[in-house]
Amino acid sequence: KQEVTQIPAALSVPEGENLVLNCSFTDSAIYNLQWFRQDPGKGLTSLLLIQSSQREQTSGRLNASLDKSSGRSTLYIAASQPGDSATYLCAVRYSSGSARQLTFGSGTQLTVLP
Amino acid sequence: NAGVMQNPRHLVRRRGQEARLRCSPMKGHSHVYWYRQLPEEGLKFMVYLQKENIIDESGMPKERFSAEFPKEGPSILRIQQVVRGDSAAYFCASSPQSIQETQYFGPGTRLLVL
Repeated sequence: KQEVTQIPAALSVPEGENLVLNCSFTDSAIYNLQWFRQDPGKGLTSLLLIQSSQREQTSGRLNASLDKSSGRSTLYIAASQPGDSATYLCAVRYSSGSARQLTFGSGTQLTVLP
Repeated sequence: NAGVMQNPRHLVRRRGQEARLRCSPMKGHSHVYWYRQLPEEGLKFMVYLQKENIIDESGMPKERFSAEFPKEGPSILRIQQVVRGDSAAYFCASSPQSIQETQYFGPGTRLLVL
């Protein structure tokens, strides 16, 4: 079964700290992996998209890595700010089965304390 | 370029009524996906459509749920004879032709069944 797991489920850090969110997936045959941010009661905002041929992507204070062989991705957030508080979702597009759907993890709820 | 539009944003129905959720994809996008987020759970794929075609409905309940994406107008997710367990956030996403592209999400419709 193709699944996506995110650890930890919740994380609380003081402002300014660097942090890492983890995502693991069960099948290395993927098209790409995407990190999203979801604020309470809101939709999803795409943060970074990593294609299967890539090792990492960077946007501002965010850096996402991809290791297909081990089935892992990490989202690194540098110098965290209270505005980073949200739920972060990892989603994988597997290349077997229906190649279009995203399979989501259950998310990591991040709280950055001022 | 306007983003993915969904309406209504909030919908309240009594058990047994019908719910109609609408999604207008981003301009130029021909692929639409519907996902459901149950309370305290992650997003689950429901259905993937292209214009006038259902491509993959493997995530959609067999009864009471249907989806369409007509040649003209928005995509519609219809839930007949709603039950309390249908209460959830329903998200629509769209993408361009290429499988490598990001899926862009709408703000969601929050359905509450009384």
